[in-house]
Amino acid sequence: ETGVTQTPRHLVMGMTNKKSLKCEQHLGHNAMYWYKQSAKKPLELMFVYSLEERVENNSVPSRFSPECPNSSHLFLHLHTLQPEDSALYLCASSPWTGTNYGYTFGSGTRLTVV
Amino acid sequence: RKEVEQDPGPFNVPEGATVAFNCTYSNSASQSFFWYRQDCRKEPKLLMSVYSSGNEDGRFTAQLNRASQYISLLIRDSKLSDSATYLCVVNPQGDSGAGSYQLTFGKGTKLSVIP
Repeated sequence: ETGVTQTPRHLVMGMTNKKSLKCEQHLGHNAMYWYKQSAKKPLELMFVYSLEERVENNSVPSRFSPECPNSSHLFLHLHTLQPEDSALYLCASSPWTGTNYGYTFGSGTRLTVV
Repeated sequence: RKEVEQDPGPFNVPEGATVAFNCTYSNSASQSFFWYRQDCRKEPKLLMSVYSSGNEDGRFTAQLNRASQYISLLIRDSKLSDSATYLCVVNPQGDSGAGSYQLTFGKGTKLSVIP
């Protein structure tokens, strides 16, 4: 596989459930990101990892918990979410955290919280 | 003033037309600029970086005006396949320093190319 792969593509969960989103990149990049895209809003940066170390947490509620076990994998653990958390969650990677390279995005997980 | 502002559109243009999108940004210290394309229910994909001298890639031309703090994207000879939302993206910090990875996205401009 090449590029950035996200699973699952779609997820419906209740407010009391616990689920995880997975992201894997095959590009040899050292930086990985989680973004949230809600309807009629610009993409919002949630977390940034550089060489498996979290370097940015953009005031994200604790019900979202990221994990980066190695530079190729990134997880977003979800628990006790709210309906307003329904959105498209996008993973991205770049060679380094310097952004002159642009990002490569995964296809996203469309999350619905019921 | 919003950090990155774009006309949401939609822009409905016939095939073969030339269409231009503008984007303004609020942080005069911004260093890196990009245009991304996002198809309906898909992920954003990097279309092109925007350089101070302007740059061209086939039918697409990007321009940067630092004095006026705006970026433009020109699409010539529009194709049906150009229909998408075009996102203006700015890095307020450049390639170094704290927050250098903090890309800021506009809401996007929707383009529909009509047969």
